[in-house]
Amino acid sequence: AQRVTQPEKLLSVFKGAPVELKCNYSYSGSPELFWYVQYSRQRLQLLLRHISRESIKGFTADLNKGETSFHLKKPFAQEEDSAMYYCGGYNNNDMRFGAGTRLTVKP
Amino acid sequence: NAGVTQTPKFRILKIGQSMTLQCAQDMNHNYMYWYRQDPGMGLKLIYYSVGAGITDKGEVPNGYNVSRSTTEDFPLRLELAAPSQTSVYFCASNVGEGNTEAFFGQGTRLTVV
Repeated sequence: AQRVTQPEKLLSVFKGAPVELKCNYSYSGSPELFWYVQYSRQRLQLLLRHISRESIKGFTADLNKGETSFHLKKPFAQEEDSAMYYCGGYNNNDMRFGAGTRLTVKP
Repeated sequence: NAGVTQTPKFRILKIGQSMTLQCAQDMNHNYMYWYRQDPGMGLKLIYYSVGAGITDKGEVPNGYNVSRSTTEDFPLRLELAAPSQTSVYFCASNVGEGNTEAFFGQGTRLTVV
């Protein structure tokens, strides 16, 4: 079955500290992996995709096929990064998400 | 720039009542999705559609029905509301064919009492 797992429901770090949000996937075939973010009172929006190999708002994510992981990282967290983060995968027309991790960046 | 529009924003239903959650997009996207968001459970895919006249079940389709008669609209129907269907419902659309940049609606908060 296609599945995306985010083991941490809550993650709290201090401003300026590194942050890593974990994501593991289980898919048959080669899914496209991505991260979406939901800021308070805003709509869910795409943060980044593994095929783009880009850095958005200082975040990066590396696809590790051996470990079936797609962890999201940022070297220096900012208070405005506080949000709900969803890892997801796309394969055979359906798009699924993990349970989400709520990141809180404390001043 | 309407994007994806969901109506209503809030609704309270009694057990056994039925209702339709509306979703419309004006971006000419082929693919549309319905999710429910429950605390600690994340987003669960209910149904999706890859084009007008085509729908498929997602992870949690029981208790719901959908139709896609036009490219723009993808309504979600609850026939016999149950307390377990209390949730926030999100509609999303994307171009499809491997493009995962989906655009989400603002959500519908449904409470079944």
